[in-house]
Amino acid sequence: DAKTTQPTSMDCAEGRAANLPCNHSTISGNEYVYWYRQIHSQGPQYIIHGLKNNETNEMASLIITEDRKSSTLILPHATLRDTAVYYCVVDSWGKLQFGAGTQVVVTP
Amino acid sequence: SQTIHQWPATLVQPVGSPLSLECTVEGTSNPNLYWYRQAAGRGLQLLFYSVGIGQISSEVPQNLSASRPQDRQFILSSKKLLLSDSGFYLCAWSKGAIGYTFGSGTRLTVV
Repeated sequence: DAKTTQPTSMDCAEGRAANLPCNHSTISGNEYVYWYRQIHSQGPQYIIHGLKNNETNEMASLIITEDRKSSTLILPHATLRDTAVYYCVVDSWGKLQFGAGTQVVVTP
Repeated sequence: SQTIHQWPATLVQPVGSPLSLECTVEGTSNPNLYWYRQAAGRGLQLLFYSVGIGQISSEVPQNLSASRPQDRQFILSSKKLLLSDSGFYLCAWSKGAIGYTFGSGTRLTVV
């Protein structure tokens, strides 16, 4: 069973920040949180991952709550090409457990 | 740099026919390898994973099998396809802290 829950869908205006929430209340202390996105009929693309500390790379920022029960992916300036399904995934003993993800639609 | 190759991109097979999907990784050694399946509108479901040559672990009971004949080669097979085997099949690899990288996928339609 998936260990994460995400909103089914989210709209975002082009150029604005997109904040994608994820709940992982049963996460264990040594399990990483990964974020991937998938454009239709393509393989998932890695975005970012973290354990306890907040992380930032060229694509996004990841904010993890202190109790690690939830996290937020931030796309700082959404573009039309960011339209995709975004998956918050827990790495459980070397195996990724995917939920249904959030369909993000970026509009002009 | 590391790359992952998966083929074919699309496949239409009749019920009862055999299946063989191949995945290869370049630019690394002894990776962990994975096969996932994605039903329409759903998330990915882990089918098999392998931590080394000849070492295969199955996550769900099914009509499929996997083999790892070489270090960087992972094969998904079936002797007789069912309609329910239709889906989007993805291969992935990981190693240490590098994380997980997915292939481009194979869309299988069983008719």
